[in-house]
Amino acid sequence: AQTVTQSQPEMSVQEAETVTLSCTYDTSESDYYLFWYKQPPSRQMILVIRQEAYKQQNATENRFSVNFQKAAKSFSLKISDSQLGDAAMYFCAYNVGTGRRALTFGSGTRLQVQP
Amino acid sequence: NAGVTQTPKFQVLKTGQSMTLQCAQDMNHEYMSWYRQDPGMGLRLIHYSVGAGITDQGEVPNGYNVSRSTTEDFPLRLLSAAPSQTSVYFCASSSPGLKNSPLHFGNGTRLTVT
Repeated sequence: AQTVTQSQPEMSVQEAETVTLSCTYDTSESDYYLFWYKQPPSRQMILVIRQEAYKQQNATENRFSVNFQKAAKSFSLKISDSQLGDAAMYFCAYNVGTGRRALTFGSGTRLQVQP
Repeated sequence: NAGVTQTPKFQVLKTGQSMTLQCAQDMNHEYMSWYRQDPGMGLRLIHYSVGAGITDQGEVPNGYNVSRSTTEDFPLRLLSAAPSQTSVYFCASSSPGLKNSPLHFGNGTRLTVT
């Protein structure tokens, strides 16, 4: 079975600073996809960034980037120039590339942004 | 553009009562799924469907039933509610066209069973 582990229940960062959230996963598949979702207090689930396992280049979306280490099965999220609106729960998620489109989620990291 | 719509937003049930959580999407997505979110545990998959007439169990299916008679709707039924089913429930849909297509989530239903 696939598992996703987020070892940091809570993180804190100063506004305008950079923070990295960790995620590791376990799978025997070779074709899979990784995602980071943000959940603000509104409870809405918002896609932040996604990475295809077959791509060596790390994904980037504006201030958000990932460090994808396939051999180590690591998928960390870096948030640069942190803003107050980045405060939220962040979930790492995994999806196998074939069959069902249903994600396996980590337990989440609560990010606080200090002004 | 409504996306994924879940109703109700909040619900309180007594132990043993039954109810149906509604989920509808207007994006013609074939894949739909239900998750529950509990503190400290992230989201866990309850049931999913890869198309009308096809459903399968996820990680935590006990106590829940689903059916998929149309592409648009994927209701989740609690047959006899238990306090352990107190949670936030999310419905999600996805297009099969791209393997990395993201899940589109509804806004969730907060269910309390007393």
